[in-house]
Amino acid sequence: EVQVVESGGGLVPPGGSLRLSCAVSGFTVSSNYMNWVRQAPGKGLEWVALIYGGHSAYYADSVKGRFTISRDDSKNTVYLQMDSLTTEDTAVYYCARESASISAAAFYDYWGQGTRVIVSS
Amino acid sequence: DIQMTQSPSSLSASIGDRVTFTCRANQTISTYLNWYQQQPGKAPKLLIYGASTLHRGVPSKFSGSMSGTEFTLTISSLEPGDFATYYCQQSHTSPWTFGQGTKVEIK
Repeated sequence: EVQVVESGGGLVPPGGSLRLSCAVSGFTVSSNYMNWVRQAPGKGLEWVALIYGGHSAYYADSVKGRFTISRDDSKNTVYLQMDSLTTEDTAVYYCARESASISAAAFYDYWGQGTRVIVSS
Repeated sequence: DIQMTQSPSSLSASIGDRVTFTCRANQTISTYLNWYQQQPGKAPKLLIYGASTLHRGVPSKFSGSMSGTEFTLTISSLEPGDFATYYCQQSHTSPWTFGQGTKVEIK
């Protein structure tokens, strides 16, 4: 059975840092495209970051230079280091696996339950 | 970034109703369009990928179609568990982007 479990959220002041974790069982993170997707209160979904292969990483423009996605293959866990946080980073952060069909259509098929980040003084 | 626009933003319907809502891309995305269902307080769940392919385990009352850059999700007969917010997402051009959602509420 696949399980994706995020942790590490909480309340942090503007300018602060937080590290989120995404522990996975049921598949190997190093063999998959792993993403962070966030959802601000009452808002829609926004892709944040992607890691795959030999630790190749990509970021949304809104977090580039402030967030770092990484992976510990021995723990089958993905991380999101968030620095220089602003109130606009307040959201539920989901970890999601990206898969692709034979036709190459990519989609997020496994999601965690999310971890809430509140940036406030 | 590709912009995805969903309409309506919300709709009210009754149990047993057939409902349809749309998602439009501001440029061509071929069939690289996915639909997700999100219950309040829960993570999104994949319903349909590639515009019209049902994800495993998703009931056949859900269906997807496309015409050009307009995509449609249809629920043939609403059940209580279908009252949720539905998001479309394109995976044609990075970064993958989502629509703003359509909330289906009980009339």
